[in-house]
Amino acid sequence: GENVEQHPSTLSVQEGDSAVIKCTYSDSASNYFPWYKQELGKGPQLIIDIRSNVGEKKDQRIAVTLNKTAKHFSLHITETQPEDSAVYFCAVPRGVSTGGGNKLTFGTGTQLKVEL
Amino acid sequence: DTGVSQDPRHKITKRGQNVTFRCDPISEHNRLYWYRQTLGQGPEFLTYFQNEAQLEKSRLLSDRFSAERPKGSFSTLEIQRTEQGDSAMYLCASSRGDRGLFGPGTRLTVL
Repeated sequence: GENVEQHPSTLSVQEGDSAVIKCTYSDSASNYFPWYKQELGKGPQLIIDIRSNVGEKKDQRIAVTLNKTAKHFSLHITETQPEDSAVYFCAVPRGVSTGGGNKLTFGTGTQLKVEL
Repeated sequence: DTGVSQDPRHKITKRGQNVTFRCDPISEHNRLYWYRQTLGQGPEFLTYFQNEAQLEKSRLLSDRFSAERPKGSFSTLEIQRTEQGDSAMYLCASSRGDRGLFGPGTRLTVL
């Protein structure tokens, strides 16, 4: 099955600094790469996603970059704010070759803490 | 439509009891997924529906678990003879294409 590794497991930054979280995956057929933000006691919230036909996507302070050759993708958050503090998960579709649906394999999560 | 909703949000039960959770997806989404999340881990895929058809079940879904989506709209997840190891957050997500949107989850505690 798909193997997804996410680093770091915890990340502490000062307000205003940038944060970068990286995920690597094993299935070269993977073609869709979402990032989710999860606050305590809530469900994961989709914050940005990228498809395999582009290398970078940006939405205000967040961006995702994809390197298909190396099979890794990264989340970049600039000008971090205290409300960015949460757990962030990358995810990769499971069993792409079998087609259909958006069944995801998640990374192990990164606890981001933005300190004042 | 305000998003995926789940009911109840919290459930405390005694070991051996049966529990049922409900998920109401976004109305135009034909795909519905159940995941389980334990503390400190990412969500783990359990099962997937396209309309009313259950197309895939994870090996995590033991015989005590059953899910239905009778009319291709809401879905239920039932756990029979609950065990302490079933304690987790049960998450529902729905999608029309790639973008899966999650509900708030049901937190199950088995005593």
